[in-house]
Amino acid sequence: DAGVIQSPRHEVTEMGQEVTLRCKPISGHNSLFWYRQTMMRGLELLIYFNNNVPIDDSGMPEDRFSAKMPNASFSTLKIQPSEPRDSAVYFCASSLEGKWGYTFGSGTRLTVV
Amino acid sequence: AQSVSQHNHHVILSEAASLELGCNYSYGGTVNLFWYVQYPGQHLQLLLKYFSGDPLVKGIKGFEAEFIKSKFSFNLRKPSVQWSDTAEYFCAVNAWASGTYKYIFGTGTRLKVLA
Repeated sequence: DAGVIQSPRHEVTEMGQEVTLRCKPISGHNSLFWYRQTMMRGLELLIYFNNNVPIDDSGMPEDRFSAKMPNASFSTLKIQPSEPRDSAVYFCASSLEGKWGYTFGSGTRLTVV
Repeated sequence: AQSVSQHNHHVILSEAASLELGCNYSYGGTVNLFWYVQYPGQHLQLLLKYFSGDPLVKGIKGFEAEFIKSKFSFNLRKPSVQWSDTAEYFCAVNAWASGTYKYIFGTGTRLKVLA
């Protein structure tokens, strides 16, 4: 298994631009999570999908952030418009049933200038 | 509300020293417990997990953790650390609440092992 695949690995964009991060979970996993990691705030859960349905989006910082999971093998996290304070590493993780341990992707390092 | 506390934010040890990282959680129901490791510049990887049974859990790379239910603790231990153990360690708790699983990470402990 190739694991959780995220793209791009690095993204540098100008403030105000739209950013789309992508994630392909492990085949057969039905829970998908988006996390943001920064030095200041540590690891923050942004949103959690179960069977492609958003279950908990209370961690999404504001309306500029949106996430979709159109099918079991693909999810996107979109930031529009992006701001410098959005700079962070964004991790996607998947799990079976949300109960067991997570498998994390390699992350997308986002820099907004 | 459920929470996970890792009291040691930074730990510095010499090689061959013993390690114990504390993790306490607050939740009255059944929990699943995890430790993850994040090496510099990499993603989080599962180190070990506890679901039920023997409260002493052995993981990869010589790590182990003990679940003490009465203390709501799940401390991570290693008898003799190596320079390559330099990383950040996260404790996590998974608990069923409000019709879904809540997965909560601690704030992490940065371990630096001096060669």
